[in-house]
Formats: sequence, C-alpha cells, structure tokens
Amino acid sequence: NAGVTQTPKFQVLKTGQSMTLQCAQDMNHEYMSWYRQDPGMGLRLIHYSVGAGITDQGEVPNGYNVSRSTTEDFPLRLLSAAPSQTSVYFCASRMDSANTEAFFGQGTRLTVV
Amino acid sequence: DQQVKQNSPSLSVQEGRISILNCDYTNSMFDYFLWYKKYPAEGPTFLISISSIKDKNEDGRFTVFLNKSAKHLSLHIVPSQPGDSAVYFCAAADSGGGADGLTFGKGTHLIIQP
Repeated sequence: NAGVTQTPKFQVLKTGQSMTLQCAQDMNHEYMSWYRQDPGMGLRLIHYSVGAGITDQGEVPNGYNVSRSTTEDFPLRLLSAAPSQTSVYFCASRMDSANTEAFFGQGTRLTVV
Repeated sequence: DQQVKQNSPSLSVQEGRISILNCDYTNSMFDYFLWYKKYPAEGPTFLISISSIKDKNEDGRFTVFLNKSAKHLSLHIVPSQPGDSAVYFCAAADSGGGADGLTFGKGTHLIIQP
C-alpha cells in the first residue's frame, strides 16, 4: 500500500542547477499538491492540480513549475535553483476538494548551496 | 497575513494529563478543518477533522472542538502518551472555493513529559 511516494529523499544542488522532484500516488486521487516546509513557517502551498492536465499556483509558486500529464504523477521542477529554495518539500493527494483529508509523502529535503 | 494561526510554538504536558492545542482562523469561507501530526523526518499524517456543520468530533483519545463564532478550534488529547510527542498542524479548507490545497498554521510542538 504505497500511498504517496516522493523521490529523492535528499538532494544537494548548486545554485543555478535544475532538477525535478518526483511525486506519485496510487490512490486514484484527483487532487495533488506541493508544499514546502520552512522553520517557523508551517507548510506553504506551492502549486496544485485538480486533475490531469490542470494545474494552478498556490501561495509561493515563484521558481517552480509543475505539470500533470497523468492522474498518478505530479512532478515539481526547479529550473534554476536558488539558496532560498532550500527547504523540505512535501507532495500530497486528496480524493477531491470536499471534506477529504490530504495524504502526504515522506518529503524531500533539498539543500541549495 | 496568516489565515490560520497557532499561537503556541510549543506545549509541555505530563503523561496521563490532557493536552489542549489551539488554532484560530480569519477566513470565514473555511468550512473544513483538520489536524495533522508530524514526526521528524516524516510526512504529516492525518489525525482528525471536523466540518463546519459540527461543533465536536471524537476519535478515541482525540477530540476536536469548533467554535465558529469565535473562529477557533482546539484539539484535546486525553490521556496524553509519550508517543503523542510531535508537531501538530492545524489546517483549514474552503471546500467550495476555486483554489485547492489546505492552509496550514505554523504548528505546535507538543512534548509529553514522563
């Protein structure tokens, strides 16, 4: 019973490098989201998707791109990493928007040097 | 402007006593509220939720109370156990809104003392 799977768990990038954080869910959930967690800031929404082919911006979208070509996958791309993007990233999925809880992956700890 | 506020960064409670974690919100469109528990190096896990049509929801040792007029909710844990030591996040959603995702508070670190 995998749930939400994120890869990699840890990553160190140099400033200016690009990378993709992977997220996959096997629960056939329509809604998927990316959050970042910073000390003293809680979890902040980066981007979200309400179904395949549909994405939108959250609270802190700058510097990140997303796409949703399948129901299962929702990758997060950093095109040119900056030290301000050092954070722990969580992917989450929900069945729909009405009164359902979100299930989270284990997180990706990203350090940009 | 924070829409979901958890004003206590940390809380220390003796084992066996009641833990009360508080959360306030400002957006009157929020109609669904959740509590998540997070251990270090793990993702948040869902604990309990409440819809705005209710004022109380119980699940074993966990009870969430919602006071809509005060825009306040609280999580009660009775009795508190050592395994309850974790960071607790309050989250809120507008189920009828156009934007998805949950709005989280900054979290409260609960420490259960033996």
